[in-house]
Amino acid sequence: EDQVTQSPEALRLQEGESSSLNCSYTVSGLRGLFWYRQDPGKGPEFLFTLYSAGEEKEKERLKATLTKKESFLHITAPKPEDSATYLCAVQSYRSYQLTFGKGTKLSVIP
Amino acid sequence: EAQVTQNPRYLITVTGKKLTVTCSQNMNHEYMSWYRQDPGLGLRQIYYSMNVEVTDKGDVPEGYKVSRKEKRNFPLILESPSPNQTSLYFCASSRMSLQPQHFGDGTRLSIL
Repeated sequence: EDQVTQSPEALRLQEGESSSLNCSYTVSGLRGLFWYRQDPGKGPEFLFTLYSAGEEKEKERLKATLTKKESFLHITAPKPEDSATYLCAVQSYRSYQLTFGKGTKLSVIP
Repeated sequence: EAQVTQNPRYLITVTGKKLTVTCSQNMNHEYMSWYRQDPGLGLRQIYYSMNVEVTDKGDVPEGYKVSRKEKRNFPLILESPSPNQTSLYFCASSRMSLQPQHFGDGTRLSIL
């Protein structure tokens, strides 16, 4: 069974204070790892897909990295508008099912 | 505008009364799926569909049915709803299974 664990559950940062969110996974052959952002009352919004260890992707203040056991979402100099819940999901070669972690709720204080 | 549309957005109903939540996408996507989101449990996949007439179970399929007769529609059916199915439901679609998913705005179901 695929498993995804995200940490921390919640994170409060001052505006401009960089940090990282962690996503640890256990899958029988990783097909792909996804990061999504979810704002309150909305559906998740796609950020990144990573396919293999060593891969990195960037978008504005966000950078996602992938190793064989975990992924990090680095947030550089965050702004209040980066406040949201960040979700990690994996898809394995075992099936086309997507397994999500419980998310990290990020709050950026002005 | 590319979108995934769910209806209804909110529903309060009673135990045992059959209900259907509709989901429609206008992007010609092959992959569609249903999720439920509960506090402390996160987003869990109920069913997914790789294409027309091809569906498979996710993590929590018990008590739900789906069908995919047309590419654009993927309704979620609760034949005999129970209070433990009270939740926030999301439909999503993507071009293929490993592509980014587009999510609908969610349906909040309360079953009394």
